[in-house]
Amino acid sequence: QKEVEQDPGPLSVPEGAIVSLNCTYSNSAFQYFMWYRQYSRKGPELLMYTYSSGNKEDGRFTAQVDKSSKYISLFIRDSQPSDSATYLCAFQETSGSRLTFGEGTQLTVNP
Amino acid sequence: ETGVTQTPRHLVMGMTNKKSLKCEQHLGHNAMYWYKQSAKKPLELMFVYNFKEQTENNSVPSRFSPECPNSSHLFLHLHTLQPEDSALYLCASSQVPGEEKLFFGSGTQLSVL
Repeated sequence: QKEVEQDPGPLSVPEGAIVSLNCTYSNSAFQYFMWYRQYSRKGPELLMYTYSSGNKEDGRFTAQVDKSSKYISLFIRDSQPSDSATYLCAFQETSGSRLTFGEGTQLTVNP
Repeated sequence: ETGVTQTPRHLVMGMTNKKSLKCEQHLGHNAMYWYKQSAKKPLELMFVYNFKEQTENNSVPSRFSPECPNSSHLFLHLHTLQPEDSALYLCASSQVPGEEKLFFGSGTQLSVL
């Protein structure tokens, strides 16, 4: 069983749509949860970071963590063409340990 | 120049060649990393350096040889690579090792013929 499962997509949505990106994980030791965004021909950049179950909002982005179900999501409201990128979920067992990444979901937002 | 800079952006090499990838960070960070990114696979950590000392080698074949002369520069020396080594090689840095916020360069797209 893979430690992290992420639907690779590709996912294509119209501008203004609500996007839901998801990852499941099997390692109950994961305590820190992240979403990275990677534009084409660029390296990933940290988008959201949280360490507790529940929701964390930042502008149009909401990160949701459900530790009991081992499931995290990233919601994008009012999606824009500039949101077109690959989104990587990432996990960390303890502060200072290595990050474990998902395969990434490629998102295209069409104008 | 700011951030993390990687050169070259693209590299094509034969299996008998020797080449080097270069990374430079202008963020004043103390930890630097090499990651490998292959299509349809998760980012794979290769090496970690803390204050120019290697702290992690993730069972990487010896045909990949890292070098960290100081906290700002990181190299990956390549020799006798295999076609399956073709991938995007990403350099990253963080203030301290193991931080969740990594700053990545744009990567070197490597093709081994």
